[in-house]
Amino acid sequence: QVQLQQSGPGLVKSSQTLSLTCAISGDFVSSNSGAWDWIRQSPSRGLEWLGRTYYRSQWYHNYGLSVRSRITINPDTSKNQVSLLLTSVTPEDSAVYYCARSCGGSSCYAFHAWGQGTVVTVSS
Amino acid sequence: QSALTQPASVSGSPGQSITISCTGTSSDVGGYRYVSWYQQHPGKVPKVMIYDVSERPSGVSNRFSGSKSGNMASLTISGLQAEDEADYYCSSYTSSNTWVFGGGTKLTVL
Repeated sequence: QVQLQQSGPGLVKSSQTLSLTCAISGDFVSSNSGAWDWIRQSPSRGLEWLGRTYYRSQWYHNYGLSVRSRITINPDTSKNQVSLLLTSVTPEDSAVYYCARSCGGSSCYAFHAWGQGTVVTVSS
Repeated sequence: QSALTQPASVSGSPGQSITISCTGTSSDVGGYRYVSWYQQHPGKVPKVMIYDVSERPSGVSNRFSGSKSGNMASLTISGLQAEDEADYYCSSYTSSNTWVFGGGTKLTVL
């Protein structure tokens, strides 16, 4: 059973870069049957899908329209983890951030496993 | 991409059935059979209850069912129980190769 353990700072200053990591156990980030997503949740924006990375003989990425110019999701095969970088943050980026897994023997269009969530506050 | 539309709240008594709607467009809900539903208790992580419109993950009670007609998807919970009280969110794949969520529905078990 896959488990996702998130880590990263809970406080980021405006205009700086938010950086979070999701350590994977029970699967491999480079698995041909998995996909790794980042999702955030805030009272003002609700649940918002941010982006995904997955490996199918090569790495693929796709990102949400609202953050496309600021986001990077990087797989790290040596540590079996996936990271989220969000640049030029503002207080509107304050949210609970989740990593999640899709596919893995089930639908690639739903989020079957979730990390514990990281509360991120952007200070102005 | 606009959020999918859900009612803010629904309620029902134990043993009853309730249905939560999720309305989108032909670019998301109406265009694909990739609607999923999530249950979230306060302070907890979302949990998938239905995927691909009507499929139930292993371990999810068969009291939960999903359907879709046109641009609207629905989640039905039958035999309502106190433990079902939670927030419910729908999600859909979109024609932009992204995912969109609904605003959430608070279910109260009376």
